[in-house]
Amino acid sequence: EPEVTQTPSHQVTQMGQEVILRCVPISNHLYFYWYRQILGQKVEFLVSFYNNEISEKSEIFDDQFSVERPDGSNFTLKIRSTKLEDSAMYFCASGRDNQPQHFGDGTRLSIL
Amino acid sequence: DAKTTQPNSMESNEEEPVHLPCNHSTISGTDYIHWYRQLPSQGPEYVIHGLTSNVNNRMASLAIAEDRKSSTLILHRATLRDAAVYYCILSMNYGGSQGNLIFGKGTKLSVKP
Repeated sequence: EPEVTQTPSHQVTQMGQEVILRCVPISNHLYFYWYRQILGQKVEFLVSFYNNEISEKSEIFDDQFSVERPDGSNFTLKIRSTKLEDSAMYFCASGRDNQPQHFGDGTRLSIL
Repeated sequence: DAKTTQPNSMESNEEEPVHLPCNHSTISGTDYIHWYRQLPSQGPEYVIHGLTSNVNNRMASLAIAEDRKSSTLILHRATLRDAAVYYCILSMNYGGSQGNLIFGKGTKLSVKP
C-alpha cells in the first residue's frame, strides 16, 4: 500500500537555525498538509496546499514557516529561525478527492 | 468545525468487542463523521468514516445515531495492536481530504491481554 514518507525521522537543530522537513506524499494525491504535535498535546493543523498554493493556514503558521513543492514528488516545510517552542512531531499528510488523508510517521524536531 | 466529545480513556480485554462513543450534538447536515487512530510513535491512521448510514470496513464498524448527534466506533475483536488514541473528527468533505482535520484529545484505548 502506498505510504507518505517523511525524512528525517529525527532532526536536532540549534535555536535560530533554519530547518527543512521533507515529505514525499502518495504519488497521485493532490492535497498536501502539515500538522504538528507538541509532546503530550493534540495534533494541530498548520497548513494545507493545493494546486501549488496554500489553501488554508492556521495561526501557528506565521512568517517563520513556509511550504514548497519544488518538484513533482516532494513537499517541504521550512522553519526560518527555529525557536524552542517549535520542538514537536511534524506530520505530513496527503489526500485526493473523496478519499481520506494519509499521514506519514512524522519527523521529531528537537530545538536546543 | 463542530466539536466532538469523547471519553478520555477506555479499557478493553483482548479479543473482546470495543465500543468507542463520540458525541457531536452540534453536527451540521453536511458534516461527515471520521475516525482516525494514532498508535504510539506513529502518525494518525484513517479508520472509517460515514454520513448517515452505518458503515463497515476491514478495520471497524461505525454506528451512527438516527439524529446523527452521536456515533460509535466498534472494534469487533480488540487486539493488542489496537491500543491507540482514537479520534472522532467532523469534516464537511467526503473522506476528509479537502480540508484540515481538527483533532481533539481523543480516547486512549488500552487493551489487556
